[in-house]
Amino acid sequence: DIVMTQSPDSLAVSLGERATINCKSSQSVLYSSNNKNYLAWYQQKPGQPPKLLIYWASTRESGVPDRFSGSGSGTDFTLTISSLQAEDVAVYYCQQYYSTRTFGQGTRLEIK
Amino acid sequence: QVQLQESGPGLVKPSQTLSLTCTVSGGSISSGDYYWSWIRQPPGKGLEWIGYIYYSGSTYYNPSLKSRVTISVDTSKNQFSLKLSSVTAADTAVYYCARGGVWGSYRPPFDYWGQGTLVTVSS
Repeated sequence: DIVMTQSPDSLAVSLGERATINCKSSQSVLYSSNNKNYLAWYQQKPGQPPKLLIYWASTRESGVPDRFSGSGSGTDFTLTISSLQAEDVAVYYCQQYYSTRTFGQGTRLEIK
Repeated sequence: QVQLQESGPGLVKPSQTLSLTCTVSGGSISSGDYYWSWIRQPPGKGLEWIGYIYYSGSTYYNPSLKSRVTISVDTSKNQFSLKLSSVTAADTAVYYCARGGVWGSYRPPFDYWGQGTLVTVSS
């Protein structure tokens, strides 16, 4: 199984500032035949199911604000929120879909 | 707009079998572009993928749960179901159903989710 490890476990950022969450996979999730990284990011608010934000490591899902961006390749990935808004308080998960499906442990994002 | 809705008992006794159904509306479960998954989340903890099924009936399970899991599909009802046998308190969780793209379809993973249903294992 591919193990996904996120850092940090929790993060406090001031409104309007940048938030960065990292995700590392135990093996590459880049498929060389199509040059795609099988990596997604989700946002989960209390009492709600996770919401897909980013897939193919950097493709924003329809309707997701452009302050959310994803980057990285191979085994190291980053989710960046360029200017934190109050509604962005949530737990964020990375997930690989290269081999079966596994999630990171989650990163809790709060307002400083 | 695709919608998924989980249903089933909220309380299961230890050693018994947990059974849940996911009803899909607004789209066909027989679409060849998607797998239909079950995912769970213990209270206050992270997400664990349980397994998925294709409309043809092909399945793939999380190796850590494989011996206890069965996922089936009923295309006539646009539903798929989960059975988890020999449950313990460790199986207490919110159970979600979700849609995800098939390898090669270039569809996104887990783009639609049900609201989730809490299943408690207790005597």
